[in-house]
Formats: sequence, C-alpha cells, structure tokens
Amino acid sequence: GAGVSQSPSNKVTEKGKDVELRCDPISGHTALYWYRQRLGQGLEFLIYFQGNSAPDKSGLPSDRFSAERTGESVSTLTIQRTQQEDSAVYLCASSLGTSTYNEQFFGPGTRLTVL
Amino acid sequence: KQEVTQIPAALSVPEGENLVLNCSFTDSAIYNLQWFRQDPGKGLTSLLLIQSSQREQTSGRLNASLDKSSGRSTLYIAASQPGDSATYLCAAHNDYKLSFGAGTTVTVRA
Repeated sequence: GAGVSQSPSNKVTEKGKDVELRCDPISGHTALYWYRQRLGQGLEFLIYFQGNSAPDKSGLPSDRFSAERTGESVSTLTIQRTQQEDSAVYLCASSLGTSTYNEQFFGPGTRLTVL
Repeated sequence: KQEVTQIPAALSVPEGENLVLNCSFTDSAIYNLQWFRQDPGKGLTSLLLIQSSQREQTSGRLNASLDKSSGRSTLYIAASQPGDSATYLCAAHNDYKLSFGAGTTVTVRA
C-alpha cells in the first residue's frame, strides 16, 4: 500500500510569509507525528495526533506554529510569519496507534527554506 | 528528558568489512528502540524495531541488540557494501514520541 506522503517536497518562502505543509498518513493509521530536522541537527519532535486530537503540543517551538488534523486523515502544519530559523526539513510519520509496539513510518519530508 | 547519543559520528570502511554502530540512551523506560537509515535529501527508512522485552532483532545482514539496563543498542551490518553508505539514526521510543540521536554517517569504499 501507499506510504506516508508529504507536500510540497520543497518550499521556498520569504521571511514573514505564512506556509502550510501537508501530510497524508498511511490509511488506517490513527496516530500522526510531526518532527523537524534543522541542518546539522537531530530530529526534534513537534506534535502528535491521536485521531484528530493533539494531546501533546509541547514540541512546537513558538505560537507561530500550529497543526490540525481532519479525522484520522490529512494533517496540516502551519507556520505563520516565517523566520529564517524555521528553515528545516519537516518530517511527518504515522503509526497504527501509540501503544508499546507501534512502528513509526516516515514520509519523505518537506524542505522549507526561508529567505 | 530522553537523551540519545550515537558514536561514532562518522565511519569510513572498505567494502566487505563489518560495521558496528553504537547508540546510548539515558532513560531506560523505553517502549522500543528503532533504527533508521537516511539517504541525502530523503526521508527515513525504518530498518529494525526492537521491543523493550527483546534483546535483539535481525533482518538480512542487519542485526540490532538492545540492553535496556545499560541504556545501549548496537547495530551490526555484516559484509558492508557501497549501497550501505548513508546516515544511520537510532531513536528511543518513550510513550508516543521518538527521541533521536544525531546519527552516524557511514561511507563504504568500493
């Protein structure tokens, strides 16, 4: 079956603009995760969804970042008033659930460049 | 807060040599530990997942061990090939989220 897909694959924007990043999880996966990978750094957890509820938003770097999910389907990560430090690869993952054995499967990522 | 460390940061070996990649984590209350491969400009490919109750997991030339009590995992890649060149990441799974190490970048020379 299809894996996790993300769009766009690349996004170049000007400082101060808003951007939306999209993630389509694997069909049937109830849990969805967003991570960020800045150049030369490890992956950072941003937020996760169980269904369309986001129990933990503690990884979001600032109130310029928000995310939503429609049912157990598509999720959108929105960054308002982008800054140069937002430049990173944003990775989405999904899993069947969040219990002990739940392998996370990752999408190809969206590379965001803020000029 | 879970801290994950990977040593070495980079590794270069001739083709055919066995690879040993190390991962350590500070919080032993993990659900599982997952090893990933990342190719330049690409996403993450899951290689192996070891549940907290397991000691090791094998897939083809790959073998991963887990010692929860000491907070360590090791990924072994047998008979390395140039196609194994990539960055390898380990991630400790606590509750619902993964905490990643910075990765080991592997170069296998033909």
